[in-house]
This record gives sequence, C-alpha cells and structure tokens, in this order.
Amino acid sequence: GQNIDQPTEMTATEGAIVQINCTYQTSGFNGLFWYQQHAGEAPTFLSYNVLDGLEEKGRFSSFLSRSKGYSYLLLKELQMKDSASYLCAVVDSNYQLIWGAGTKLIIKP
Amino acid sequence: IAGITQAPTSQILAAGRRMTLRCTQDMRHNAMYWYRQDLGLGLRLIHYSNTAGTTGKGEVPDGYSVSRANTDDFPLTLASAVPSQTSVYFCATSGGSADTQYFGPGTRLTVL
Repeated sequence: GQNIDQPTEMTATEGAIVQINCTYQTSGFNGLFWYQQHAGEAPTFLSYNVLDGLEEKGRFSSFLSRSKGYSYLLLKELQMKDSASYLCAVVDSNYQLIWGAGTKLIIKP
Repeated sequence: IAGITQAPTSQILAAGRRMTLRCTQDMRHNAMYWYRQDLGLGLRLIHYSNTAGTTGKGEVPDGYSVSRANTDDFPLTLASAVPSQTSVYFCATSGGSADTQYFGPGTRLTVL
C-alpha cells in the first residue's frame, strides 16, 4: 500500500527553527508537495520538489531525497502566524496526490 | 468570482436526504478534485475530473457522485446521506494532474 508518515504534532518557540519530516512509500514518484493549512481554512501551496536537494523560498525551505523516500520542511525565524498544520503530499505513478495526515505545529512565545 | 468558490459554507443534513455541494472555478483549470478531510486522516480523494466531460473515482467514492458538464463547475452529490459522511469537503483545481492544486474554502457538512 501507499503510505506517507509525518509527526502528528510539534512544538517550537517563536524565533527558532523547526524541521518537519515526511517519509513516503508510494507506487512511483512524480514529485512532492508541502502545503500549509491554518485551522478552519483551506490548504495553501508552499513548495514542490521533484529533484533531490534543497529548495529555498524565504523563511521556508524544502528538502528531498528520493533514494531515502524522505523530505523535510524547514521553517526559520518562526512567527506566531506559522502555527498551522503542514501537509506532505506525493504524486504517485498514476499522477494522483497521496496525502499525509499532516503535522500540527504549535508556536509558543 | 475570485479563484474557487464552494457552496454552501456549512450544512446540517438529516440522514437519508440528498445533497449537492457546489464548486465553481474561474481559473480555467482542466483538472478538478473533491476531497474530504477528517481529523487524523488527512485529505482523501473522493472523485476527480481531468477535463470537462470526464470523471474518475478516487480513494473513497462510495456514496458520492460527480459530473463535469463544463470547465468551471464540478458538483458533488450525496444521493442518500449517512452520518459517516460528516466531514469537511474541499474542492480543488489544477492545470494538470501533477500540477499544484488550489483549494476552495471548504464545506462543513454534518449528517444527523
């Protein structure tokens, strides 16, 4: 079966750095997405990785290792508004998106 | 219209009733999707449409039907609602099947 694993919940301090991991086992791989979802709102696109390595976009970076079936989202200089759930999703061999259950990130002052 | 709209925002429905959730986009995207999101389970695909006139089944299609008569609209119908269909429903669109998906604001449905 297909599986995406993320930690259920993480806590971090305002101004700090946090890394949210995602491991996947899917039938094929055609890219990996990270989305942010604030409570009661729709998911919004953060990043997309299809090749190995680090993609940096402001305070957020996303890393991919296809050989290890592993990705992480790195958030720097945390702000209170970063409190949200972070969803990892993999595009499988049928070009369908397989979603993880999401990681709830709690930011403390 | 700005992007993707869904209606209604929320609904309480008696079991056994028929219900249609509406989704309209003005992004001219080919692909559209319906997901349900339940606590601890993440997003699960119900049905999808890669282009107007075609539809496909996702991970959890039972009890739901869709149609795609044109590019802009993708309604989801519950023929006879059951309590297990209580969930938050999101419609999404993308330019193609592996492209970034953009989500509507969601419909919160409660079936009693």
